[in-house]
Amino acid sequence: NAGVMQNPRHLVRRRGQEARLRCSPMKGHSHVYWYRQLPEEGLKFMVYLQKENIIDESGMPKERFSAEFPKEGPSILRIQQVVRGDSAAYFCASSPPRGSAGVSSGELFFGEGSRLTVL
Amino acid sequence: AQSVTQLGSHVSVSEGALVLLRCNYSSSVPPYLFWYVQYPNQGLQLLLKYTSAATLVKGINGFEAEFKKSETSFHLTKPSAHMSDAAEYFCAVNSGGANNLFFGTGTRLTVIP
Repeated sequence: NAGVMQNPRHLVRRRGQEARLRCSPMKGHSHVYWYRQLPEEGLKFMVYLQKENIIDESGMPKERFSAEFPKEGPSILRIQQVVRGDSAAYFCASSPPRGSAGVSSGELFFGEGSRLTVL
Repeated sequence: AQSVTQLGSHVSVSEGALVLLRCNYSSSVPPYLFWYVQYPNQGLQLLLKYTSAATLVKGINGFEAEFKKSETSFHLTKPSAHMSDAAEYFCAVNSGGANNLFFGTGTRLTVIP
């Protein structure tokens, strides 16, 4: 079984460019989460999505950041007009639908991350 | 509100020595608690989880953690450290069916030969 797949693993952008990070959840998972990890810090929640719906975006910066999880295809985290402070590792995680048999409450399955460097 | 505090951003132990990584949580309802491990340039891997069953939880790679409600703690231990245990360890909490996990700032474990 494939795990959570993220690409690209590494992305370099110049200030003002756009960054697009993709995440394909584990098979059978319908919930996707994005976290950001800044150097020497823990993971900070950004957004929680289900197919075609943003459920919780309380951790998303108000400007330049957006996320989607379309009916078909991967979830995408989009950062417009990147600045140096956006340099970080962005992790995607997925979980099964709530209430499914065998679900461990709250457990998330993480991808290997996308490391964004803004020059 | 829910949060976790990990005391000690860096912990060093000798190979073969006891590993103790501290985690205290704050939650207004019974929490679910997790320890994840992150190896360099990799994602997070679940070590173990507490979901209101047994208070002593055993995980992978010989790690275990004990949920102590009176101390609001969920410390991670391993009797004998291996070189391969060198990594970053994160404690996380989810309570009240929240939409996400709240992570501590992590503890970097160094194992000295």
